Parts: sequence; C-alpha cells; structure tokens
Amino acid sequence: DQQVKQNSPSLSVQEGRISILNCDYTNSMFDYFLWYKKYPAEGPTFLISISSIKDKNEDGRFTVFLNKSAKHLSLHIVPSQPGDSAVYFCAAISGGGADGLTFGKGTHLIIQP
Amino acid sequence: DAGVIQSPRHEVTEMGQEVTLRCKPISGHDYLFWYRQTMMRGLELLIYFNNNVPIDDSGMPEDRFSAKMPNASFSTLKIQPSEPRDSAVYFCASSLTGGTGTEAFFGQGTRLTVV
Repeated sequence: DQQVKQNSPSLSVQEGRISILNCDYTNSMFDYFLWYKKYPAEGPTFLISISSIKDKNEDGRFTVFLNKSAKHLSLHIVPSQPGDSAVYFCAAISGGGADGLTFGKGTHLIIQP
Repeated sequence: DAGVIQSPRHEVTEMGQEVTLRCKPISGHDYLFWYRQTMMRGLELLIYFNNNVPIDDSGMPEDRFSAKMPNASFSTLKIQPSEPRDSAVYFCASSLTGGTGTEAFFGQGTRLTVV
C-alpha cells in the first residue's frame, strides 16, 4: 500500500522550459513533505521541503506547491537545466516525530537540450 | 564533514552467506536510518535509531535482518543468511533531530547482489 505515489516514472522536458513533478499521498497524518534528488550511484540529496501549514515554498528555481484538500503536491523547476536530469523522490513525514521518511517511487526527469 | 559514509559501495555474495553493511553517520546527528531501494518497492525504511537506541524496526523484512548501533559514530546492518531477493541498494541516512523541519542526509549506498 503506497502512501506516497508518484505516478509518472519518467518525464522529459526541454531545456529552459518548466518541469512539473507530481506527488499524491493518502495518509492525512502527513504534516511535512520533502523532495529529494538522486543522481546515479549516489544517495538522495535534500532539495526542498514544505510544511502542511503552508501551500507554497520557493527556493531559487525550485517551488513546491501543496494542496492539502487534494492530498497533492508538486515540484516546479523553472527554467529547467541539463543538470536537473535526475530521479526526484517525493517524501513525507507524519506525527512530527522521527518516523523516518515515506518515499514515493521516484520520477526520472530528463532534460533535453 | 565528509557526510554519511557507507561501506562497502558494492557487495556481491553467494546465497546463504552473511553480509554486513556499515555506516558512519554525520558527527552530531542523533538519528540514523537504514533504507532499502528496489525497483518494485522504491525506498523503504527498514529501521531507525535515536541516540544509538533502535526505535522502530517494523520495516525490517525478516528475522534474517538485524541492525546495531554500538556507538554514535557507527552502525551495521546484517543479513544472515542472505538470499537473492535481498539484492538491492541499501542506504544509511542521518539527521540532526527527528521530525518535521529536518531533512535527512544520505550516504552513497551499498549495492548488494546476492547470487
């Protein structure tokens, strides 16, 4: 039973355009959400996060949007750059405690020149 | 800090053998997590420690899996006996505090192949 779902295994975007990665969750107890980026043969690295009390968080080219009523969040990257090609994992935490992260299966973003 | 350090990077072993994966968390971090990544299930939390004490091991798949954290700078994940279905990438991660507002830092992972 996947509590965090990333329904697009891969996404191809042209360089300079906007990349939108989507994530849905089922557990209403999740109160903090994170995006991780992963290059081949490396561990995931933290990218950006958002608390459930907010609906938007922005950091440079990266913006995360949260729609609590729809249990949906998205990561926007604009403009997309070749170095953004990686696997992006959506993750969530519940209860405010260190329960570890519940991850989606990831979306492979490919930025085409 | 060098980040979370895992060893070995790659491990190939025969079915039935014991496998030990090692992790050195970031100094000062008091939470340590072990994750497993497979194509079928993505990234799964196996177990986590707080101040060297195992808090939740409900993600450990079977009794063949065990984890220890003898001190704040070292943890092991052991599989005995190993089976082909254990083949995966195993990640260790650490964080300064648990819960919201703190991201976990991951090691580079150990790719385990059981033949």
